[in-house]
Amino acid sequence: DQQVKQNSPSLSVQEGRISILNCDYTNSMFDYFLWYKKYPAEGPTFLISISSIKDKNEDGRFTVFLNKSAKHLSLHIVPSQPGDSAVYFCAEHTGNQFYFGTGTSLTVIP
Amino acid sequence: DTAVSQTPKYLVTQMGNDKSIKCEQNLGHDTMYWYKQDSKKFLKIMFSYNNKELIINETVPNRFSPKSPDKAHLNLHINSLELGDSAVYFCASSLWDSRYGYTFGSGTRLTVV
Repeated sequence: DQQVKQNSPSLSVQEGRISILNCDYTNSMFDYFLWYKKYPAEGPTFLISISSIKDKNEDGRFTVFLNKSAKHLSLHIVPSQPGDSAVYFCAEHTGNQFYFGTGTSLTVIP
Repeated sequence: DTAVSQTPKYLVTQMGNDKSIKCEQNLGHDTMYWYKQDSKKFLKIMFSYNNKELIINETVPNRFSPKSPDKAHLNLHINSLELGDSAVYFCASSLWDSRYGYTFGSGTRLTVV
């Protein structure tokens, strides 16, 4: 069974609105989470991370929220831009390993 | 000036063949990885190398063998290719403290026919 789940395979959002990408996990003993962004035919690129001791981390238009009681994290993109259209992976770092979700494909409609 | 480069980008080969995928990083990272993306887009780690030592080896068939001639290279050699090996393989690198994530290569799409 997957340790990290992204239950929405796709999401469409109008340009300028907020995009919210969700991720659920099962392991409470993680070190931190990361979000990756992946364009077609390219490798995933690191976007933003959050450690287990925080509940929010912000970087420009990107904010990640961590809800440890619900074992849930989310990535908010405000405002969304067409260039944000990509697949977003969340990844858990525990010990010496990363566990990736299957990704959510975001489409930002101009 | 690619940070993590892997070659070839596409590889089509017949069952039973032996093939290699090369990976090089110029970031000065000390840990390199191979990931396999399956048909469901799930990224699973296959191997990682730190200072020429294998530190993670998930349950991959021993037909897959990583080879690291130096800190900047981690090549993936696959013997006796099978249809189920068809996937996209990603190379990545990081500092030993990988808190700030990996730098990924662009992937190699392997198709076994």
